[in-house]
Amino acid sequence: QVQLVQSGAEVKKPGASVKVSCKASGYTFTSYDINWVRQATGQGLEWMGWMNPNSGNTGYAQKFQGRVTMTRNTSISTAYMELSSLRSEDTAVYYCARGDLVVANDYWGQGTLVTVSS
Amino acid sequence: EIVLTQSPGTLSLSPGERATLSCRASQSVSSSYLAWYQQKPGQAPRLLIYGASSRATGIPDRFSGSGSGTDFTLTISRLEPEDFAVYYCQQYGSSPVTFGQGTKVEIK
Repeated sequence: QVQLVQSGAEVKKPGASVKVSCKASGYTFTSYDINWVRQATGQGLEWMGWMNPNSGNTGYAQKFQGRVTMTRNTSISTAYMELSSLRSEDTAVYYCARGDLVVANDYWGQGTLVTVSS
Repeated sequence: EIVLTQSPGTLSLSPGERATLSCRASQSVSSSYLAWYQQKPGQAPRLLIYGASSRATGIPDRFSGSGSGTDFTLTISRLEPEDFAVYYCQQYGSSPVTFGQGTKVEIK
């Protein structure tokens, strides 16, 4: 069965960086894009960007350009999202989600809480 | 950027009733690349509908999606207790991908 398992919760200080991992299993990792979506407490869903695990190509929301980097390690079927220059407004649950134009985001990771606090 | 506006913000209904949720786009959604997700507290979103009207794997047939262009609808024909949740629409045909602000379906 398809699973996306994310790394554990993180607490970071303002100005630091965080790197969240998303390990895929149950399907061919390079066959679907990985999208990253975040959700602040009590708020809606916010798309951050996508990565094609086969080519490594990425596309980022303008809001995060220059601060976000999405990478992958195909040998271990794992995608990564690194967000730098953290501020308190970046406190949120970060989700990875498998996706393509056929089935949208059909499988999601369990979410990783990132807390930014001094 | 395509802005998605969902209405109503909250829907108060009883089990067994029909729920109709709306999602309006600021411009036409490419090739009906419109999806609906359900989210319960503390859980990741779950895909219900993709391509505006196709049910995802394992989704009961009481959930249906319709619409094209700029106006889309999610209908839950008869609400079950487990259907009370927040629902989001998403367009994924144009970059950036965008979500609506959500509709909360609560027990009346």
